[in-house]
Amino acid sequence: TQLLEQSPQFLSIQEGENLTVYCNSSSVFSSLQWYRQEPGEGPVLLVTVVTGGEVKKLKRLTFQFGDARKDSSLHITAAQPGDTGLYLCAGVGGATNKLIFGTGTLLAVQP
Amino acid sequence: DTGVSQDPRHKITKRGQNVTFRCDPISEHNRLYWYRQTLGQGPEFLTYFQNEAQLEKSRLLSDRFSAERPKGSFSTLEIQRTEQGDSAMYLCASSLSWTSGSLQFFGPGTRLTVL
Repeated sequence: TQLLEQSPQFLSIQEGENLTVYCNSSSVFSSLQWYRQEPGEGPVLLVTVVTGGEVKKLKRLTFQFGDARKDSSLHITAAQPGDTGLYLCAGVGGATNKLIFGTGTLLAVQP
Repeated sequence: DTGVSQDPRHKITKRGQNVTFRCDPISEHNRLYWYRQTLGQGPEFLTYFQNEAQLEKSRLLSDRFSAERPKGSFSTLEIQRTEQGDSAMYLCASSLSWTSGSLQFFGPGTRLTVL
């Protein structure tokens, strides 16, 4: 059972548009990570957020961790076709630091 | 390439057959994780090794599944008497225990198709 819900599940936009992906949970996580995954490949880490209210920027990507450390968002400015992929949030859980992944957001950016 | 490697990348098998996958983590990474991902979903945790010790197993890991990491380096995941529901991408990840926030590095995965 996934504990992290992502929305939207699918998103198809035109190049140059902005978008936001949300990741919500009823659980508190010590940290939360965002990954991007391309077809047939493993997830690649984009960012880790640790502190409630934290905002991190990675070029055109802005990540925010909720004050209560239960939710996060990913905002992409001026999307490009190269941003196409499956975006996954993941909470870090337990003493083993296993990742609890969200349901995923499949993004398609049309040129 | 010094990243996480997995072999094979693709496996097609008939229902009832046994399959074994291999994961080679990043050298000196003492933590190793296996996840399973079905199409369009996020990965789900299966099991965790610290060095050679298997310290956590998910309820998803039925008794048809067994994982080993005999020398604390590479790991194998075996599925016995495969079922069509086992069709998925099996991902391996490794990390160092003293890094904060569990920086896990993922391999490319093994895609299993059970006919």
